Amino acid sequence: NAGVTQTPKFRVLKTGQSMTLLCAQDMNHEYMYWYRQDPGMGLRLIHYSVGEGTTAKGEVPDGYNVSRLKKQNFLLGLESAAPSQTSVYFCASSWAGPNEQFFGPGTRLTVL
Amino acid sequence: KNQVEQSPQSLIILEGKNCTLQCNYTVSPFSNLRWYKQDTGRGPVSLTIMTFSENTKSNGRYTATLDADTKQSSLHITASQLSDSASYICVVRPGNNAGNMLTFGGGTRLMVKP
Repeated sequence: NAGVTQTPKFRVLKTGQSMTLLCAQDMNHEYMYWYRQDPGMGLRLIHYSVGEGTTAKGEVPDGYNVSRLKKQNFLLGLESAAPSQTSVYFCASSWAGPNEQFFGPGTRLTVL
Repeated sequence: KNQVEQSPQSLIILEGKNCTLQCNYTVSPFSNLRWYKQDTGRGPVSLTIMTFSENTKSNGRYTATLDADTKQSSLHITASQLSDSASYICVVRPGNNAGNMLTFGGGTRLMVKP
């Protein structure tokens, strides 16, 4: 099992550009999450999904959109990237809300 | 506002020594608390989970404690190894409808030197 995978691993964008981060999990988990991790701060929840076709806002959703068209995939989109979105993005998945979250390896995004 | 504070922010110890990392939280109501290990360039990996009724839980050389009355937890690492060099993150889950909104601490960066 690959677990949770993320693509790409690194990306550099210019302000105003758009991109999509892909998260895939092969554990048949219902719940999936997108977090951002900034230096000196704890991970913060951007959006999450409790099942295929559902999404919900987390703590810091502004500037991001998500889609969960298939159970195994969770996409995070940036429509118009800003320097404040420079961060490391982590995807995670779990069987249900209270269960252990399994994290992907992260995507390092730089917005110039 | 729910908060998780960890101390120290960073720590350097010699291989073979023990260390203790601290976590204080204000999350209420409380459901559970996890300690994660995050290696550089990797995602966090769960070490232990503690619920309200548990005081101590061990996972190999890692021992976590929880005092739900004072809202404090600690992670004790025994006989440290070079591979223990990582960030250790304390994560608290609330026991209400916001259960999907975990609160993450900023982490303690541990460096084990030979």
